[in-house]
Amino acid sequence: EDQVTQSPEALRLQEGESSSLNCSYTVSGLRGLFWYRQDPGKGPEFLFTLYSAGEEKEKERLKATLTKKESFLHITAPKPEDSATYLCAVRRGSQGNLIFGKGTKLSVKP
Amino acid sequence: EPEVTQTPSHQVTQMGQEVILRCVPISNHLYFYWYRQILGQKVEFLVSFYNNEISEKSEIFDDQFSVERPDGSNFTLKIRSTKLEDSAMYFCASSEQGLANEKLFFGSGTQLSVL
Repeated sequence: EDQVTQSPEALRLQEGESSSLNCSYTVSGLRGLFWYRQDPGKGPEFLFTLYSAGEEKEKERLKATLTKKESFLHITAPKPEDSATYLCAVRRGSQGNLIFGKGTKLSVKP
Repeated sequence: EPEVTQTPSHQVTQMGQEVILRCVPISNHLYFYWYRQILGQKVEFLVSFYNNEISEKSEIFDDQFSVERPDGSNFTLKIRSTKLEDSAMYFCASSEQGLANEKLFFGSGTQLSVL
């Protein structure tokens, strides 16, 4: 069965304290792995898509990496505005049908 | 930046009533989707729509659900006879070409409460 598991469920950091979020997946025929950010009461906001093992993408303080079984979202020197739930999703097939994990709720304290 | 617009932001209805959730996808996008998120749970796929047809649907999307593109801009989700367990945040999304590694743009959602 296709599955996406994210850990930890919640993470509290001090401002400037770097850390990583994990997304492990089991899917037949991975067509893409996506990271989204979700603020309370809002829809998911796209961050990155990764397609093949070894691929890395960066945006400001965030860096996403992909292996054959998992992806990491590294947060370097986070700020309070980085506080949100970070969702990982995988795509199989050629259309839609993203399978989401439950997310990691990140809180960054000043 | 272009965005997906959803209305209403909140909808309260009585069990058994019909509801229609509305979405305006990004104008040059061809693929449209509905997802839902029950409080505290994962975002779940409901249906994808292309060229005026359902292209894929999940087990959740049973005969009580239907989708429609009534004109050139709107995309709707109808629930014919709502149940308590339909209470959730419903997200509309769109993508330009529906390619495998193409990102989906999500709206801000409609919070549906069934009483």
